[in-house]
Amino acid sequence: AQSVTQLGSHVSVSEGALVLLRCNYSSSVPPYLFWYVQYPNQGLQLLLKYTSAATLVKGINGFEAEFKKSETSFHLTKPSAHMSDAAEYFCAVSGGGADGLTFGKGTHLIIQP
Amino acid sequence: EAGVAQSPRYKIIEKRQSVAFWCNPISGHATLYWYQQILGQGPKLLIQFQNNGVVDDSQLPKDRFSAERLKGVDSTLKIQPAKLEDSAVYLCASSLVMGASGSGKTQYFGPGTRLLVL
Repeated sequence: AQSVTQLGSHVSVSEGALVLLRCNYSSSVPPYLFWYVQYPNQGLQLLLKYTSAATLVKGINGFEAEFKKSETSFHLTKPSAHMSDAAEYFCAVSGGGADGLTFGKGTHLIIQP
Repeated sequence: EAGVAQSPRYKIIEKRQSVAFWCNPISGHATLYWYQQILGQGPKLLIQFQNNGVVDDSQLPKDRFSAERLKGVDSTLKIQPAKLEDSAVYLCASSLVMGASGSGKTQYFGPGTRLLVL
């Protein structure tokens, strides 16, 4: 069985500040890890994914995440927040025979002007 | 390229009524997924198709939910009869194909259908 824990249902940062969204996973098989972003009344858009290649993954809109097996973590970061980054962010894991995603509960990112 | 299409975008029904949602995946995508996203939670996988065959429906409440993908392209998700707790956004996603290991393929999501059961 797989699971994802996202620490912090809401994270607030100032515009221009570092963004750090935390994700820890549990998986009995080597995991594939994803970060998705969801804007209001829209579907999910892929930010980046880890598929067992480089442990530091770069995504769209300046986001990146680092896979740390020893810590079972896949935290999302961005050096400088923009107002347009305000959205809901979901971490997800897949692995094993089928590739349906198991999602965390999400983190709502608030950007203060 | 066109994205995943879903309809309707919004639906309001009374409890015990039936409802159906439609999804058209990205052209050429063999794998199709239906997820349920309850307010304040992450999406939960309901069912996964590979072409017109079911790969995983372990979390589908089969007493009231059904889904089909008869020609391996479009899919329909049905709820009959609906309960209050079925109020959620129903997301459809597609990916090219399951890999040899079954994982790691990017899933592309549609805009979702927001269902309110009164």
